[in-house]
Amino acid sequence: DVQMTQSPSTLSASVGDRVTITCRASQNIKIWLAWYQQEPGKAPKLLIYKASSLRSGVPSRFSGSGSGTEFTLTISSLQPEDSATYYCQQYDSYLYTFGQGTKLEIK
Amino acid sequence: QVTLRESGPALVKPTQTVTLTCTFSGFSLSTSGMCVSWIRQPPGKALEWLALVDWDGARYYSTSLKTRLTISNDTSKNQVVLTMTNMDPVDTATYYCARISRSASGTATHEYWGPGTLVTVSA
Repeated sequence: DVQMTQSPSTLSASVGDRVTITCRASQNIKIWLAWYQQEPGKAPKLLIYKASSLRSGVPSRFSGSGSGTEFTLTISSLQPEDSATYYCQQYDSYLYTFGQGTKLEIK
Repeated sequence: QVTLRESGPALVKPTQTVTLTCTFSGFSLSTSGMCVSWIRQPPGKALEWLALVDWDGARYYSTSLKTRLTISNDTSKNQVVLTMTNMDPVDTATYYCARISRSASGTATHEYWGPGTLVTVSA
């Protein structure tokens, strides 16, 4: 199975900062990478699919990039409501796998 | 409007079999490209994909749990059912179902999620 490794595990940043989260796949997954945002006690929300496609309704400060085995999620200007845990997930095959998550805190 | 909702027992005993039901609306699982997955999340831990059934009835399972899982769909009821055998306290988690659209206009990943149902495994 494809293993997904996220870094960092936790991140603290200030409102207005540019924030980057990295996800690495154990093998080539082409562009089949999604990013989710999860607030405490809630179901995950899809933000980015196919590595860089922004889901309709998601603020444009979120962006994704990468292909193959290295991917990034960038928040261009951090907002208070962005405090959450972020997960990457590969879907190159039907055996989906998630990263371990990155908890983003607002200073 | 696409909605999904999970239901099932809140508490099960070790070694028991649990049956979870995902009831959905706003789409048909018989439409080409539609799929429903089950995903779980132990308290304070990461998400773990469990199983998927697609519009053609094909079923896919987590490699590590496939001997314990069965996923099925009832198109007439708009339901997808997951059974997990031999439950253990480490299986305590919130269990989610989610829809995937693999059509040309779909995202091909988990776009719509239910709110989740917490299953606690304890004697």
